[in-house]
Amino acid sequence: DIQMTQSPSFLSASVGDRVTITCRASQGISNYLAWYQQKPGKVPKLLIYAASTLQSGVPSRFSGSGSGTDFTLTISSLQPEDVATYYCLNYNSALGTFGQGTKVEIK
Amino acid sequence: EVQLVQSGAEVKKPGESLKISCRGSGYSFTDYWIGWVRQMPGKGLEWMGIIYPGDSDTRYSPSFQGQVTISADKSISTAYLQWSSLKASDTAMYYCARQYCSGGSCYPAMFDYWGQGTLITVSS
Repeated sequence: DIQMTQSPSFLSASVGDRVTITCRASQGISNYLAWYQQKPGKVPKLLIYAASTLQSGVPSRFSGSGSGTDFTLTISSLQPEDVATYYCLNYNSALGTFGQGTKVEIK
Repeated sequence: EVQLVQSGAEVKKPGESLKISCRGSGYSFTDYWIGWVRQMPGKGLEWMGIIYPGDSDTRYSPSFQGQVTISADKSISTAYLQWSSLKASDTAMYYCARQYCSGGSCYPAMFDYWGQGTLITVSS
């Protein structure tokens, strides 16, 4: 099965900073990569699918890129409401795999 | 409005059996895959498996194959996750979620709508 490796596991940044999270697949998955945001005590929320397509209603400061094995989630200007844990998800078959998560905090 | 409503929290002892539920409404239940996701305390999301209620086609992550059973009753728009013999390590929040479809494309293993979660505590 395909493994998804996210980095970093934790990051602390200031409001307004540009933040980048990476996700690497153990084998090529084309662009079948989604990003989720989970705030403390809340249900996960879909941010991006097809590696770079923003889900309806998601702020434009979020963006995704990549294809094959290497993917990136970028927050162009970190806001206090972005404090959360972010997960990538490979969905290139009928079996999915989440990355281990990246916790984002405000410095 | 699409809604997934899960059954309530459970406290069980090791070795006991359990079946939790997820009722869908606001859409055609038989036309969308439903998945289950585990989140152990303080840990990340784990993709467990999916079921297509229309024909009960079921797929399991290798990590969960043989450990749980996913089923559905389309007559009452409800999916289930069950254990025959719980372990302390099954203590977790379990989410059901519906597959994502957009613009005519559907992805069984990706989810947009989520249930509120069911907390399972297994302790002697």
